[in-house]
Amino acid sequence: DTAVSQTPKYLVTQMGNDKSIKCEQNLGHDTMYWYKQDSKKFLKIMFSYNNKELIINETVPNRFSPKSPDKAHLNLHINSLELGDSAVYFCASSQVPVGTQYFGPGTRLTVL
Amino acid sequence: KNEVEQSPQNLTAQEGEFITINCSYSVGISALHWLQQHPGGGIVSLFMLSSGKKKHGRLIATINIQEKHSSLHITASHPRDSAVYICAVYGGATNKLIFGTGTLLAVQP
Repeated sequence: DTAVSQTPKYLVTQMGNDKSIKCEQNLGHDTMYWYKQDSKKFLKIMFSYNNKELIINETVPNRFSPKSPDKAHLNLHINSLELGDSAVYFCASSQVPVGTQYFGPGTRLTVL
Repeated sequence: KNEVEQSPQNLTAQEGEFITINCSYSVGISALHWLQQHPGGGIVSLFMLSSGKKKHGRLIATINIQEKHSSLHITASHPRDSAVYICAVYGGATNKLIFGTGTLLAVQP
């Protein structure tokens, strides 16, 4: 009964490919997030959805497209992967947009 | 310069020591998170606070809104406290979570 789950945990792919990372939360939260943790372990927000509506869209290349089919899911699709996309991507959720955040286990993406 | 600064960046302590990690921020905030990231990579929220002080077990978090400063204290530190501690604030125009660079804590037995 994991609160915030992500799949896959590891993703190794070639440059130029398209890939998706899925996130699901069973906490009944209204707000979900995607974060990127770079090689220096620095975390930065990418997107935030509240009730399936996009509320935060940081300066992220258009190749990244989040999709929220319902409040419990926020998926991240990445087109034309580049070497610089290699990172750990964390999904998180909170009850409200300014609330305690619960993080998923992370997806380590490696682009070769 | 980061909007959220933490000190120290690295900290080594002996088991049983009292530990303090500091966080200063330069933006207006709604609230502040202290997070813990274990070597395995998982991130856990320890506290979210917007004023005063919170305590949970051996952990204490304080915030001074006027001085734009927060501290995380660990009493009677233990090797299992070894982790990266990250300060993050809900701030900026969109009230997004802005992260500090983290403090790597190693508690030696």
